[in-house]
Amino acid sequence: LAKTTQPISMDSYEGQEVNITCSHNNIATNDYITWYQQFPSQGPRFIIQGYKTKVTNEVASLFIPADRKSSTLSLPRVSLSDTAVYYCLVGDMTSTNAGKSTFGDGTTLTVKP
Amino acid sequence: DTGVSQDPRHKITKRGQNVTFRCDPISEHNRLYWYRQTLGQGPEFLTYFQNEAQLEKSRLLSDRFSAERPKGSFSTLEIQRTEQGDSAMYLCASSSEGARETQYFGPGTRLLVL
Repeated sequence: LAKTTQPISMDSYEGQEVNITCSHNNIATNDYITWYQQFPSQGPRFIIQGYKTKVTNEVASLFIPADRKSSTLSLPRVSLSDTAVYYCLVGDMTSTNAGKSTFGDGTTLTVKP
Repeated sequence: DTGVSQDPRHKITKRGQNVTFRCDPISEHNRLYWYRQTLGQGPEFLTYFQNEAQLEKSRLLSDRFSAERPKGSFSTLEIQRTEQGDSAMYLCASSSEGARETQYFGPGTRLLVL
């Protein structure tokens, strides 16, 4: 699977927009990009998934440029409860390679009051 | 739908003992995954089932580890002769096979080997 690179940590303040970028230079044609959120002592929680351009749901937006070698998770107006670790995953979920999901070490986002 | 559940949530054991963890996936999901996560690291893939077939095993899964999913529903992960290095959070996830597969994770079982 494509290796991903994310910043180790980010700080923000309540009410700000936060953008976390993930690099995946070796992304393959069939690969999707998925972001998860994890709070301490809990399992990761799905946030958003995309293949190209822009995807938006009720909690976040995902921006993917035409070359797909990176992606940016955008969290609008963060609150203290958004403090968590955010993981970017890249993989082809159409095949048995789905079993090889590689999380990396994620980005620890700290939201301050 | 109550989500993915795992039991127990916490387990403390002595080195050399055997432990078994259980995972109940979301009922309509045919894929089930086990991961291990240590402090400060992301989850590491251990193994994966499609229905009752174990299709993939990580090299992290030594011969002391075994996983089963006998009827394609719940799964168990057993660790024999536990070592202190096995101390970690063990996460289970399930999903439906498909082009935009999303894994849903359970709360995890935290293992401490003394």
